[in-house]
Amino acid sequence: GENVEQHPSTLSVQEGDSAVIKCTYSDSASNYFPWYKQELGKGPQLIIDIRSNVGEKKDQRIAVTLNKTAKHFSLHITETQPEDSAVYFCAAGFQKLVFGTGTRLLVSP
Amino acid sequence: GAGVSQSPSNKVTEKGKDVELRCDPISGHTALYWYRQSLGQGLEFLIYFQGNSAPDKSGLPSDRFSAERTGGSVSTLTIQRTQQEDSAVYLCASSLNSGGASGELFFGEGSRLTVL
Repeated sequence: GENVEQHPSTLSVQEGDSAVIKCTYSDSASNYFPWYKQELGKGPQLIIDIRSNVGEKKDQRIAVTLNKTAKHFSLHITETQPEDSAVYFCAAGFQKLVFGTGTRLLVSP
Repeated sequence: GAGVSQSPSNKVTEKGKDVELRCDPISGHTALYWYRQSLGQGLEFLIYFQGNSAPDKSGLPSDRFSAERTGGSVSTLTIQRTQQEDSAVYLCASSLNSGGASGELFFGEGSRLTVL
């Protein structure tokens, strides 16, 4: 089955810096790669997703890149703000989503 | 309702007791998922429903765990003879897409289970 690895587990940046989170997956059949943000005490919420026929997608300060050959995808957040502080999860799948172990992002003012 | 509703939000039980966790998905969503999140960990897949059937229950940790969905809507996750290692947040999500993991999952806020 699918296995998703996510790095780093924690990431501390200064406000205004960029943050990059990377994931790798194992199952070449996976065709959907979303990123979720989880704030304390809440369920994860989708922030951006990409499908296997696209290499890059951008939404304001957030971008995701996908390399299907290498089986890795990344989340890029530019101009980080304190409200970006949360746990971020990548996921990959086809019939079901398998999630990474999460990255705790801390943005300091 | 406007979102996925889970109950109870918190449950404390004694080892060996049975517990039932309920999920009320967004109206019209055909797919429903259960995940488990242990403290500081990622989301562990448990089971997925398409309508009332469960094409994939491969993530259920043991035969103490079972789930059902009725009327294509509400789902119940049952844990029998609870153990301390069952302590976690159980998250339910629903999705509009009928083709599996091809669309956004909408998560509830979870049911936090503590087994003493």
